[in-house]
Amino acid sequence: AQSVTQLGSHVSVSEGALVLLRCNYSSSVPPYLFWYVQYPNQGLQLLLKYTSAATLVKGINGFEAEFKKSETSFHLTKPSAHMRDAAEYFCAVTGAGTASKLTFGTGTRLQVTL
Amino acid sequence: GAGVSQTPSNKVTEKGKYVELRCDPISGHTALYWYRQSLGQGPEFLIYFQGTGAADDSGLPNDRFFAVRPEGSVSTLKIQRTERGDSAVYLCASSFGHEQFFGPGTRLTVL
Repeated sequence: AQSVTQLGSHVSVSEGALVLLRCNYSSSVPPYLFWYVQYPNQGLQLLLKYTSAATLVKGINGFEAEFKKSETSFHLTKPSAHMRDAAEYFCAVTGAGTASKLTFGTGTRLQVTL
Repeated sequence: GAGVSQTPSNKVTEKGKYVELRCDPISGHTALYWYRQSLGQGPEFLIYFQGTGAADDSGLPNDRFFAVRPEGSVSTLKIQRTERGDSAVYLCASSFGHEQFFGPGTRLTVL
């Protein structure tokens, strides 16, 4: 069984500031981990994924995440926020394998202010 | 347009009615998933197909919910005797391997 906890349902940062969105997971098997972004009235878009290769994963739009097994974490970061980054972000986990259901966190809404 | 498509984009129905939601996956993707996203929540798994068969239907909330994928491509999620609590966005995803690609969803409103 897998589960995901996203700390902070809302995060607000200034444009140009560091973005840090937290994700902790629980998994009884080696996990694959994902971050998805959802813009208003749109579907989920994959930002990045960890599939047991490099622990530091780089994704689209300047985002990256680091898999830390000892901390069971997969936090999402971006050095400098942009207004277009305002959206809902979801962390998800699945068991390692080719096809398996995703278990999502409750999401973090990122607000970017001037 | 090679992405996952879902129809209709919006569906408004009355309590007790039957609805069908359609998903057209990316061509060649063998796995297809249905999720439900309630307001302010993350998507919750409903059912997953590998080819034509349901490999995991553990997320279906009750026997009012049923899904088919008769030819291993298009899938239909069917909800009988709809209830107001069924109101949500229903998301479909397809994959070939571990990465899932999501459609835009169908927003179901039960009055």
